[in-house]
Amino acid sequence: EAGVTQSPTHLIKTRGQQVTLRCSPISGHTSVYWYQQALGLGLQFLLWYDEGEERNRGNFPPRFSGRQFPNYSSELNVNALELEDSALYLCASSRGWGRRESGYTFGSGTRLTVV
Amino acid sequence: QQQVKQSPQSLIVQKGGISIINCAYENTAFDYFPWYQQFPGKGPALLIAIRPDVSEKKEGRFTISFNKSAKQFSLHIMDSQPGDSATYFCAASHFGNEKLTFGTGTRLTIIP
Repeated sequence: EAGVTQSPTHLIKTRGQQVTLRCSPISGHTSVYWYQQALGLGLQFLLWYDEGEERNRGNFPPRFSGRQFPNYSSELNVNALELEDSALYLCASSRGWGRRESGYTFGSGTRLTVV
Repeated sequence: QQQVKQSPQSLIVQKGGISIINCAYENTAFDYFPWYQQFPGKGPALLIAIRPDVSEKKEGRFTISFNKSAKQFSLHIMDSQPGDSATYFCAASHFGNEKLTFGTGTRLTIIP
């Protein structure tokens, strides 16, 4: 079984630019979660998608957005990049709403550096 | 508002010893408490999880102890091995909201 795949693995952007990160969940998983892991800050919840709908978003500005496609893959978009957006962005998938105890499976992340 | 507090930030344990990581939560609606293990360059992986209707859960060398009245839970790693060296995160969620709220992580180093 293929795991959660994220692309790209590394990315360098200039302040003010826009970036799109991609995530493919495990086959059969319908929920996708995005987390930001900045140095020393643990994992901060960004967005949760299930069955194509945004179910919840964390305490991040509107320039962080995303979507989930009919095949359950997902994109995270960040506009007007700021230096503090530099972080590891992790995507996780699960079997869907109400099945959280089946556990999240995380990808290896996209390392974003904003210069 | 940080809803899950984790300590210590880093921990060094000798091989064969017991590693103990503690977490405390504020939201009494939390009803699912997993622990994740993360190696450098990898995403976190589910290690073990507990619900508040039990006080302890053991899987191999890993045990979660849960104290509902104190709103605390801890991970114990028995017979710690160098391969256990990783960052450990506690987390919590409540029914109806599938997102996990994570602690800030503990970097565990097992020395020979």
